[in-house]
This record gives sequence, structure tokens and C-alpha cells, in this order.
Amino acid sequence: AQSVTQPDIHITVSEGASLELRCNYSYGATPYLFWYVQSPGQGLQLLLKYFSGDTLVQGIKGFEAEFKRSQSSFNLRKPSVHWSDAAEYFCAVGAPERGKLIFGQGTELSVKP
Amino acid sequence: DTEVTQTPKHLVMGMTNKKSLKCEQHMGHRAMYWYKQKAKKPPELMFVYSYEKLSINESVPSRFSPECPNSSLLNLHLHALQPEDSALYLCASSQEDRGAFFGQGTRLTVV
Repeated sequence: AQSVTQPDIHITVSEGASLELRCNYSYGATPYLFWYVQSPGQGLQLLLKYFSGDTLVQGIKGFEAEFKRSQSSFNLRKPSVHWSDAAEYFCAVGAPERGKLIFGQGTELSVKP
Repeated sequence: DTEVTQTPKHLVMGMTNKKSLKCEQHMGHRAMYWYKQKAKKPPELMFVYSYEKLSINESVPSRFSPECPNSSLLNLHLHALQPEDSALYLCASSQEDRGAFFGQGTRLTVV
């Protein structure tokens, strides 16, 4: 069965510190992987995506993610967190139609001064 | 431009009302979607339209009725909803190799 696991429900980091959000997936074929961010009451914004090729993917807002097939992981990283990064982060795996997404439960990021 | 526009942003409706949610995109995407998101939960897929035809219905109750008038528009007609249908309704569109882009959502409250 297709699934996405985000082990951390809530993470707090200090402003300026580095960040890594974990994501593990289960998918029968080559996965199409995504990270989205959602601020309270807002829609989802696509941070980055992996379809094929280079396993280190650069996204918007200074985020990057690394696809590791052997570990079935697609972790999101940022070298220096800003207070405006506080939000809910969703990892997702997509069907070939791309838009049929299976989401993880989300990780809520808090940033302390 | 990666914008999906949803209207209205907020909607309060009674259980006997009929209302519609609207979604528009001008990115030339040929697939459009409705998702439902409850508080503190991930979005759940409701419907998929591909080339203006309904291709996926995730066993959604008939009180939700989708419509795709053309390749840029997607509607969700609501009738006789229940309080538990209160949620954030998200529209998305996608095209090959670009991923899915979401609108800001409609916050629906059923009273």
C-alpha cells in the first residue's frame, strides 16, 4: 500500500538553526515526491518536488530535499531557519497523474527567537 | 504564474442550503482536483477531473457534486450538508512534471 510517514508531529527550532524534517514513504514504483508548506488557514504551497534525476533537489525559500531510495526517505532541510518558516509541512507521494497525492500527517514547525 | 483562485474564501451555510464553491486556473493544466482538509489533518482527495471528465471519485457522498464547465474552471456544488462537513476545501491543478498547485481554500462552516 502507498503511504507516507512523517515521524515528527511537532518540532521546535531556534531562529538561525538548521532544520531537517523527516519523511519516509512506501510506494510500489518510482515515487514522485513533494514537500508542501501550509500556514494557518491557508492553502498549500509547493516547496519542491522530485520526479527523477539528481537526488538532491533545490526548492523555494532556501529549502532542499534529498531522495534516498535505499532508505525510502525524502527529508527536507534548511541551513538557517527564519521565524517566517513557522508552519505545517507536508510530505506527499504522487500517482502518475501527479495530482493524486497521498500526504503524510504533517509536521508542525515552531521557531523560537 | 502558478495561481489557483478559489471563491469564496469563507462560507457559512445551513443544512438545507444549496451553495457552490468555485475554482479557476489559467496555467493550462488539464487536471483539476478537490481536496477536503479537516483541522490538524492532511488533505484528503475527493474528486479528480482529467481533460474535463471526472476520472476519480473517492466515494464522496452525493451531497457533494463536482462540475467542470471548461478546462479552467471547477465547481463544487453543495446541498444538504452536515455539520461534520465543515472543513477547508482545497482546489488544485496539475500538469505533467510540474506537480500540483493549490488554491488558498474555502473555509466552510455548516450550521
